[in-house]
Amino acid sequence: GAVVSQHPSRVICKSGTSVKIECRSLDFQATTMFWYRQFPKQSLMLMATSNEGSKATYEQGVEKDKFLINHASLTLSTLTVTSAHPEDSSFYICSARDRRVPDTQYFGPGTRLTVL
Amino acid sequence: KQEVTQIPAALSVPEGENLVLNCSFTDSAIYNLQWFRQDPGKGLTSLLLIQSSQREQTSGRLNASLDKSSGRSTLYIAASQPGDSATYLCAVDNYGQNFVFGPGTRLSVLP
Repeated sequence: GAVVSQHPSRVICKSGTSVKIECRSLDFQATTMFWYRQFPKQSLMLMATSNEGSKATYEQGVEKDKFLINHASLTLSTLTVTSAHPEDSSFYICSARDRRVPDTQYFGPGTRLTVL
Repeated sequence: KQEVTQIPAALSVPEGENLVLNCSFTDSAIYNLQWFRQDPGKGLTSLLLIQSSQREQTSGRLNASLDKSSGRSTLYIAASQPGDSATYLCAVDNYGQNFVFGPGTRLSVLP
């Protein structure tokens, strides 16, 4: 089946630094990618929808200047957490929608971010 | 706005039992519904996908049903095993937009 990768799988950083997380669709083109966040013992919450070649659409309550999303190609979307704080520590998961099979969405393995 | 709930929040059963996990959603205009499994600290594993036109899907010991009109789905696990212990998430696809996830059911199957 289709594969979505995320890099890195784990990252630990100091407060105030920026962290970039990559989401790649390995064997298909994804015009739309989604970024989710999951706090401990809670379900996934959508942060933003990323469309190739256009600006991301952010969910209410998600700061677009803090969580920068770039979807520069049909196989890559990046999420940059700027000026990270401990409360940004979370599990970030991306998903990608195959442009050939739009009713199917594939999830990445997730990135665990810890901000000290 | 679509909301998804899951009952029970947690479930602990002895090995070998059959069990049912419940999912409810408020807006019946969905594209499809998907059940996922998540192990602690891991990403999502897709278990079953039910299109809006379907009523059920089966994979091995798993069977998922969908009743769009009542806004409900159930995941049936037969002959549960300790390896089934995980959090099970229900998610609805809002017409090709994003998924809306339920809070999950944390399952423990005791040997």
